[in-house]
Amino acid sequence: DAKTTQPPSMDCAEGRAANLPCNHSTISGNEYVYWYRQIHSQGPQYIIHGLKNNETNEMASLIITEDRKSSTLILPHATLRDTAVYYCIVRETSGSRLTFGEGTQLTVNP
Amino acid sequence: ETGVTQSPTHLIKTRGQQVTLRCSSQSGHNTVSWYQQALGQGPQFIFQYYREEENGRGNFPPRFSGLQFPNYSSELNVNALELDDSALYLCASSPSTGGGETQYFGPGTRLLVL
Repeated sequence: DAKTTQPPSMDCAEGRAANLPCNHSTISGNEYVYWYRQIHSQGPQYIIHGLKNNETNEMASLIITEDRKSSTLILPHATLRDTAVYYCIVRETSGSRLTFGEGTQLTVNP
Repeated sequence: ETGVTQSPTHLIKTRGQQVTLRCSSQSGHNTVSWYQQALGQGPQFIFQYYREEENGRGNFPPRFSGLQFPNYSSELNVNALELDDSALYLCASSPSTGGGETQYFGPGTRLLVL
């Protein structure tokens, strides 16, 4: 699976959009981009995933660049409960595993 | 809530002992994956079970073993516990293997080895 690079930490004001970047310059054509988050001491929570097109669900939006070498997870109106470690993962379509990196610690401030 | 449950929630063992952790998958899911998360690190893939067979394994020694049952629940067994085995153990279930299926995680079992 391709390696991902994320900033170690980010801050965001409550009510504002949180934009979390991820670089995956070695991604191949059959690899998805997945985002999970983990609130302290809980199991990772699935957020969203995509292959080529931008995706949106009730939690977030995923913007993937045209060359697929980077992506951005957008939380449109961050709340204090969004404070968590966010993991960007690149995964083969037929792969059995998720390879987690260090993730980004997002802190939403009041 | 994902519908994935794990037991026990916490466990304390001593070095050299054996431990069994349990996972019930979400309804309709036939694949279970296990991960180990040491303090301050991201989860590391241990192995995956699909239709009661191991389907992929990470870089873990043979003393880490598993089972999947006909109802798709699963066990993780660790023999000869070492201090470094202290971690949060996570299981995740998915509808099938491969094909980009999303994995949904349980709350984890926190194991402390003394």
